[in-house]
Amino acid sequence: ILNVEQSPQSLHVQEGDSTNFTCSFPSSNFYALHWYRWETAKSPEALFVMTLNGDEKKKGQISATLNTKEGYSYLYIKGSQPEDSATYLCAFMSNAGNMLTFGGGTRLMVKP
Amino acid sequence: EPEVTQTPSHQVTQMGQEVILRCVPISNHLYFYWYRQILGQKVEFLVSFYNNEISEKSEIFDDQFSVERPDGSNFTLKIRSTKLEDSAMYFCASSLLRGENIQYFGAGTRLSVL
Repeated sequence: ILNVEQSPQSLHVQEGDSTNFTCSFPSSNFYALHWYRWETAKSPEALFVMTLNGDEKKKGQISATLNTKEGYSYLYIKGSQPEDSATYLCAFMSNAGNMLTFGGGTRLMVKP
Repeated sequence: EPEVTQTPSHQVTQMGQEVILRCVPISNHLYFYWYRQILGQKVEFLVSFYNNEISEKSEIFDDQFSVERPDGSNFTLKIRSTKLEDSAMYFCASSLLRGENIQYFGAGTRLSVL
């Protein structure tokens, strides 16, 4: 059974704060790591797909790093805004197939 | 922007009844998936489908479950005889290719089994 864990489970920050959360995943049989942003009652929205060790990706004020050797990825949000409030999910894909194994998510709440 | 659509958004059924959850994947995508999230738990993979057949399935996807692509646009998940523990949010997803390609998700169907 693949174990993908995210921390923290939830996070409350003030508008303008920068924040980061962690996704840990198996370091063996790695193929890709996906990050999604999920607002209640909406579709999970893909943020990044990361495949290479040392990869860094950026989309606006959100960025992510990847360490496949130790099995972790960080998601950073610089200068959080209330509209960044959502659950952030990471999902691991092994080289054995196409399925995504999800972490439990980090629920971010940004107060104005 | 193209999107994956799922209907209905909420389905209520009695234990033992059959349900069909419907999805319209993005039109040029070739790979299709079902996932589910039981309340308070992680999102779990159920099945992937390519070239009109199941390519992978999890232990959850037992004989009570089946998938079908009855025409060129719809992708359905059927649960033959629902149980209380089938209550969950069911997500459909599609991707153009496999591997590092993005899986695009629908907004989900909440299934409540009474």
